[in-house]
Amino acid sequence: DTAVSQTPKYLVTQMGNDKSIKCEQNLGHDTMYWYKQDSKKFLKIMFSYNNKELIINETVPNRFSPKSPDKAHLNLHINSLELGDSAVYFCASSQAGSGNTIYFGEGSWLTVV
Amino acid sequence: GNSVTQMEGPVTLSEEAFLTINCTYTATGYPSLFWYVQYPGEGLQLLLKATKADDKGSNKGFEATYRKETTSFHLEKGSVQVSDSAVYFCALSVNTNAGKSTFGDGTTLTVKP
Repeated sequence: DTAVSQTPKYLVTQMGNDKSIKCEQNLGHDTMYWYKQDSKKFLKIMFSYNNKELIINETVPNRFSPKSPDKAHLNLHINSLELGDSAVYFCASSQAGSGNTIYFGEGSWLTVV
Repeated sequence: GNSVTQMEGPVTLSEEAFLTINCTYTATGYPSLFWYVQYPGEGLQLLLKATKADDKGSNKGFEATYRKETTSFHLEKGSVQVSDSAVYFCALSVNTNAGKSTFGDGTTLTVKP
């Protein structure tokens, strides 16, 4: 049973389109995240939710809007896609607390053409 | 602020060679330290962790010791295999930082037969 699952895995879309990536975790964690990984493998946190409440919102264009309908889901909607949005987006979850492991999904490969 | 600096890659080794990937950190408070591994085409997964000074984390033949005096958490393995080829991320988290973890830039390891 997949712990953190995200869909779609691959997404190719044109500039200017709007797209969403869905994420679900079945680990019972109270905190969920979105990370962006660029072509050089650098990992950057975008958002973090704890119990459906936004707690981390890094400097991300407001074209990116997260939504957490419940503790087990955190979706990412992207408006007006740009070429520079091409990256791998990882959903992740953990229990709050510094010693706790973050569990990552398999990633969503977004290519904007 | 918190930061993680890890050895730049890429690193290329022959099978059965000794591996060290250096990681140093700066943190406010008392961090927990982690190594995550990302195999090709997959998400990150925990390799090992240590939550207090002098703790040693170990898994799959990899080891790292939390050294508070040198603010380091170097990853070592005595004999690497081709299957260890991956990207390795050093990371820290601190309870006071609203659950935000800080990741290093990743080190790509390629092991040749």
